[in-house]
Amino acid sequence: QSALTQPASVSGSPGQSITISCTGTSSDIGLYNYVSWYQQHPGRAPKLIIYDVSHRPSGVSDRFSGSKSGNTASLTISGLQAEDEADYYCTSYSTSSTFVFGTGTKVTVL
Amino acid sequence: QITLKESGPTLVKPTQTLTLTCTFSGFSLNTSGVGVGWIRQPPGKALECLALIYWNDEETHNPSLKNRLTINKDTSRMQVVLKLANLDPADTATYYCVYDETSAFHYWGQGTLVTVSS
Repeated sequence: QSALTQPASVSGSPGQSITISCTGTSSDIGLYNYVSWYQQHPGRAPKLIIYDVSHRPSGVSDRFSGSKSGNTASLTISGLQAEDEADYYCTSYSTSSTFVFGTGTKVTVL
Repeated sequence: QITLKESGPTLVKPTQTLTLTCTFSGFSLNTSGVGVGWIRQPPGKALECLALIYWNDEETHNPSLKNRLTINKDTSRMQVVLKLANLDPADTATYYCVYDETSAFHYWGQGTLVTVSS
């Protein structure tokens, strides 16, 4: 199984919106709505911020939103804040009967 | 409150077998839809799902590691144990225990760094 493809880095100024893409195949993102997104600050465990493509867990800011079109999922962060600077990973269930992660995206707040 | 905590060796030699234990609280692994599993992250690299075990004894395994991995649960002791055989320095990573519900990892342990070196 191949990793899902994410841009290595995305940056934006405070208050702006940014979008991180996550490209898979018809065997994972294109087939299942089990796409989730995780935020990871340095030295910390990842934190779930989006599940089932577009659902936010309780306590996660509504500045985070998710969507999917075909084989590509996207995470949008609106009103970018300094605390959003972190690594972000997508994941999807796949026909190999396991979960495949994305390559990871480093978000920098300028 | 759901918590998960990993325990096991921090240094293992190549060719040995790694045994990691996840001790959890705040939920039952008998509950429909619930799973517990392991995800690892080599230093500076991306996350990789290793294996998960569910309330109904179903399992998922990373196909690239399937022959080296075993996962077991002890519901009464609230533990899930991962074994990874024939270790290589490339297996050096932080290993996380995770709680899976609705095919998403809602809770994570703090992680444990395992170094494979002679």
